Amino acid sequence: DAGITQSPRHKVTETGTPVTLRCHQTENHRYMYWYRQDPGHGLRLIHYSYGVKDTDKGEVSDGYSVSRSKTEDFLLTLESATSSQTSVYFCAISADRGTEAFFGQGTRLTVV
Amino acid sequence: AQSVTQPDIHITVSEGASLELRCNYSYGATPYLFWYVQSPGQGLQLLLKYFSGDTLVQGIKGFEAEFKRSQSSFNLRKPSVHWSDAAEYFCAVGPYNNNDMRFGAGTRLTVKP
Repeated sequence: DAGITQSPRHKVTETGTPVTLRCHQTENHRYMYWYRQDPGHGLRLIHYSYGVKDTDKGEVSDGYSVSRSKTEDFLLTLESATSSQTSVYFCAISADRGTEAFFGQGTRLTVV
Repeated sequence: AQSVTQPDIHITVSEGASLELRCNYSYGATPYLFWYVQSPGQGLQLLLKYFSGDTLVQGIKGFEAEFKRSQSSFNLRKPSVHWSDAAEYFCAVGPYNNNDMRFGAGTRLTVKP
C-alpha cells in the first residue's frame, strides 16, 4: 500500500468552527489531491497541489483552502464549517498528472 | 464537457456468475481510464488502468476492462464473481484540466450466495 496517512480519521465539529485535515505521504509524489465523497456524486475534487506551495482549485473548492509547505504534507482547511461540508474526505497522491492515484483511508467529518 | 457516467447505481449478481459494470465517458482526446474498488469504510484501490496500446487490460483480482473508442466506453468485467467482490466500483478518466482525474458516481455491487 502507498504510504498515505490521513488525520484525523473521524471528527465531529460544530457549525462555524475551523477544521484542518492533514494528509501525509511517504512516497515523494509530486501531485496531491483532496476529494470529497458523497452518495450519488462519486468523488469530487476540492483542491490539488502540483508541488510545494503550488496549489489550484478543483470543481468544489468554495469554503475550502489548502496549503502545502512540504512535499509530504497537504492540509485541507474548512475556515468556517457548514453542515453541507459533512462528508468523507479522501487524500490522494500521484507521481504524474492525471495518472493513477493512490488513496488514503479517508476522514469522516460531521458538522453539527 | 468532460464527464464520466456509470449508468448502473446498484447491481446484484449471484456468486459464480459473470459481471459487467458499465462506464461511458466524454473526453476530447484519448483519455487515461481507470477502475477503482472501494470496500466499506476503506479508501479506493486501483483495479486496472488504460493509457494506450492493447484495448483489453487485465487488472488485479481477476478483473479486466475493454476500451472501446467508438463507444466511448470502458466496461469492467469478471467471468466469475466471488462474495468478496461485493463493494463499490468507480470508473475514472484523466487527465482533466491537465492535472487530475474525474470519477463516475459509482456502482454498488451486491453478491448473492
